[in-house]
Amino acid sequence: DSGVTQTPKHLITATGQRVTLRCSPRSGDLSVYWYQQSLDQGLQFLIQYYNGEERAKGNILERFSAQQFPDLHSELNLSSLELGDSALYFCASSSRLAGGLPDTQYFGPGTRLTVL
Amino acid sequence: AQSVTQLGSHVSVSEGALVLLRCNYSSSVPPYLFWYVQYPNQGLQLLLKYTSAATLVKGINGFEAEFKKSETSFHLTKPSAHMSDAAEYFCAVTQNTGFQKLVFGTGTRLLVSP
Repeated sequence: DSGVTQTPKHLITATGQRVTLRCSPRSGDLSVYWYQQSLDQGLQFLIQYYNGEERAKGNILERFSAQQFPDLHSELNLSSLELGDSALYFCASSSRLAGGLPDTQYFGPGTRLTVL
Repeated sequence: AQSVTQLGSHVSVSEGALVLLRCNYSSSVPPYLFWYVQYPNQGLQLLLKYTSAATLVKGINGFEAEFKKSETSFHLTKPSAHMSDAAEYFCAVTQNTGFQKLVFGTGTRLLVSP
């Protein structure tokens, strides 16, 4: 158990819909990362937050957005869903933003999204 | 841009045999390298990481990896495979620029036969 929790574990929805994925980082971790794992794209970085502020963006679609709340949990919002958005979405957390050696990112169990 | 290449999407070994999973990196700055393991229906678990302190890195479950700058490689090895090692393994790279996103390879599925 990494200490990172993600809900829900599974999500099945229809095209055009909007969903929200939730992540609670390990106690004390300030950085949250979102990754998407799909068969055709592999594991890709989407976005990073540090202590409530967006810090880095990867290959995140405009239909997707995220935020980190004062209690440090994070939500990833996916809207106007398409079949191709079906994937496993991982959240990871680490304790520091930068400086010195890179922190280990601890991954949650993921949310499996199926778009029908 | 940084990247990693994992040679072989599938590797099959017999129980007790040497495990060798290959990873080559590309980076314009000194890289930090990681190996993660993903068991079925689970998240990623860190096996080991290279952060420039020592070129031979020992991780959990008997795995180790050696950083070879001249070969731009960070191959993962284990002397003797166990059935429980069957999983997918990912090599990843990052750099300490302040935004520590991980760039992952495509993964190698390790199959262990009795």
